Amino acid sequence: GQQLNQSPQSMFIQEGEDVSMNCTSSSIFNTWLWYKQEPGEGPVLLIALYKAGELTSNGRLTAQFGITRKDSFLNISASIPSDVGIYFCAGRNTGNQFYFGTGTSLTVIP
Amino acid sequence: DAGVIQSPRHEVTEMGQEVTLRCKPISGHDYLFWYRQTMMRGLELLIYFNNNVPIDDSGMPEDRFSAKMPNASFSTLKIQPSEPRDSAVYFCASSPGYEQYFGPGTRLTVT
Repeated sequence: GQQLNQSPQSMFIQEGEDVSMNCTSSSIFNTWLWYKQEPGEGPVLLIALYKAGELTSNGRLTAQFGITRKDSFLNISASIPSDVGIYFCAGRNTGNQFYFGTGTSLTVIP
Repeated sequence: DAGVIQSPRHEVTEMGQEVTLRCKPISGHDYLFWYRQTMMRGLELLIYFNNNVPIDDSGMPEDRFSAKMPNASFSTLKIQPSEPRDSAVYFCASSPGYEQYFGPGTRLTVT
C-alpha cells in the first residue's frame, strides 16, 4: 500500500534542542495524525489535525496541517530523554483509508 | 477507558501450527484495523472492518491468513499454517472515524 514520505529517517540530538520532522504525500488528506511508538509498545496518538492550516499543540509538541493538504510537520521543543522513540505520521483520505509514514527514529543524548 | 486490548502479548510457535490473535476494540468505535509491523516493511495494513463487516482485505498476504469480527467487541486474526516469515508484531487498532487507537501488539515468533 501507499506510504507517506517522512523525513528525516533518524535524528540524534542533544537534550534541550528542538526537533522538527515532516511528512509529505502525493495525495490530499482530510486528517493528519502523529504517533509515537516506544519499544515493545503500540503507536500512541499524540496529535490529530482536521483541517488545512490548522496548528495544534500538545505540551511541547506542535503539529501543523499543511495548506496544500499534502503535508504535515511535527515540532518538539526543548527535547528531553523520554522523547526517545519512533514518530509516525498518518493521513486519512476521503475514503477513510489511512496511510502511514515510514517513521522518524529520535535519539536524545543527555 | 481500557483502550484496545490484544492477546496474547507474545506468541512463540512452530512452523505449521495454527496461530490465533485476539483483539477487543474500544467500545463505540465502528472501525477495526489489523496491521503487521516488521523492520523491513514497516507498518502494513492487513484488513479493516466497519461495523463488523470486512471492507478491505487486500493486504492479507495469502490464504493462510483470515480475520473475523463476530461482534462489535471482538476480532480475531488467524494464521494457518504459520511460517517463519510470518514472524512480526501484529497490531489491532480501532477508530471512531477520524483517528486510530492502537493496541499494545502481539509479538509473533514462528520457529
